[in-house]
Amino acid sequence: DGGITQSPKYLFRKEGQNVTLSCEQNLNHDAMYWYRQDPGQGLRLIYYSQIVNDFQKGDIAEGYSVSREKKESFPLTVTSAQKNPTAFYLCASTPDQGRTDTQYFGPGTRLTVL
Amino acid sequence: AQSVTQLGSHVSVSEGALVLLRCNYSSSVPPYLFWYVQYPNQGLQLLLKYTSAATLVKGINGFEAEFKKSETSFHLTKPSAHMRDAAEYFCAILNQAGTALIFGKGTTLSVSS
Repeated sequence: DGGITQSPKYLFRKEGQNVTLSCEQNLNHDAMYWYRQDPGQGLRLIYYSQIVNDFQKGDIAEGYSVSREKKESFPLTVTSAQKNPTAFYLCASTPDQGRTDTQYFGPGTRLTVL
Repeated sequence: AQSVTQLGSHVSVSEGALVLLRCNYSSSVPPYLFWYVQYPNQGLQLLLKYTSAATLVKGINGFEAEFKKSETSFHLTKPSAHMRDAAEYFCAILNQAGTALIFGKGTTLSVSS
């Protein structure tokens, strides 16, 4: 079955540690996205990538980094510079480069900083 | 700049009652609008989208939404609520560059028997 997988589902991190969230898709989609979700805040865009080896900052990129070395993978690193990283993180993808028609979402990773 | 505002962070209805979730948008260009649903601890699923074709858009699970330019609204409705409709609903607009979605803060729908 085609889809987006995110791992792990739950992640715990100590303060001061970097942590990487995985996002993989086998839909052959060009564009991929990372969102952060906090209660009552909706979804806020962290980074997006329209093609391999290219990515753009979203609204809240500070303290995060990404890479897009392969079409199917778009990992997100939460660095120690992110002051309040506890949140639900969602990865998404869309078929066409440069368009965000229907976004398909993964199941999410819940990150908790201890 | 585009934005969406969802009126009411929490809506409660009885099973069988009408569901109305409100979304207003701001856009300097003709908007592309979306409604997504999220069940607890899951990703988002597209309910329906408006892309400048028919103003009344029908989606999955019996939901529909009407685009009203004069009111800058895109409210989501369902004639008869079911217990399985309890979830969080997000309205979203495509940004002007066409590169990302801008989401509202969400409305939690509760359905009681």
